[in-house]
Amino acid sequence: AQKITQTQPGMFVQEKEAVTLDCTYDTSDPSYGLFWYKQPSSGEMIFLIYQGSYDQQNATEGRYSLNFQKARKSANLVISASQLGDSAMYFCAMREGGSNSGYALNFGKGTSLLVTP
Amino acid sequence: DSGVTQTPKHLITATGQRVTLRCSPRSGDLSVYWYQQSLDQGLQFLIQYYNGEERAKGNILERFSAQQFPDLHSELNLSSLELGDSALYFCASSVGDRSYGYTFGSGTRLTVV
Repeated sequence: AQKITQTQPGMFVQEKEAVTLDCTYDTSDPSYGLFWYKQPSSGEMIFLIYQGSYDQQNATEGRYSLNFQKARKSANLVISASQLGDSAMYFCAMREGGSNSGYALNFGKGTSLLVTP
Repeated sequence: DSGVTQTPKHLITATGQRVTLRCSPRSGDLSVYWYQQSLDQGLQFLIQYYNGEERAKGNILERFSAQQFPDLHSELNLSSLELGDSALYFCASSVGDRSYGYTFGSGTRLTVV
């Protein structure tokens, strides 16, 4: 079963606007971590933001914030004031403890974001 | 530069061949994770090593194997290559086997022809 679901294969946003990328997750582990990574066309994976399951506040890192709704099992990424350089693939990922895959990350299929002038 | 070094950056080889991908983790990191990124499967976890020992296995084929050496660098060996093995292979490292700070290398793009 898919543990991380990103329902938006592609998104468009105009420069300087805010955009929300959706992510829902499935786990029965009370201790987990949620991550967002950016993958530009050059291919590298760039860490953006992390949210722990016990964190009381939503994580923020500069223009990135994570809208964490634990009861709904969602961890949406909000990018404020979009820039042309934000055009990339964005992946949501989850780390669980105690699973067969250890503490490795489980990735969603990704959302392709295109920022237009 | 993330501090995780993967070589080579690009590799083109024929079906049936064997290749070795190399990863040097960030200084101080004991855990190495290997991932495969393909168009149809997305990003899949293959295997994790921690301080020289295999710690967890994901969707790794029997034709694939890995190891982590005493100096903590890791190698992923892919044998009897098929066209479907063409993918971007990432290595990531973290300090411990239960930490949540993962640093990714820039990947090795493997093309099987």
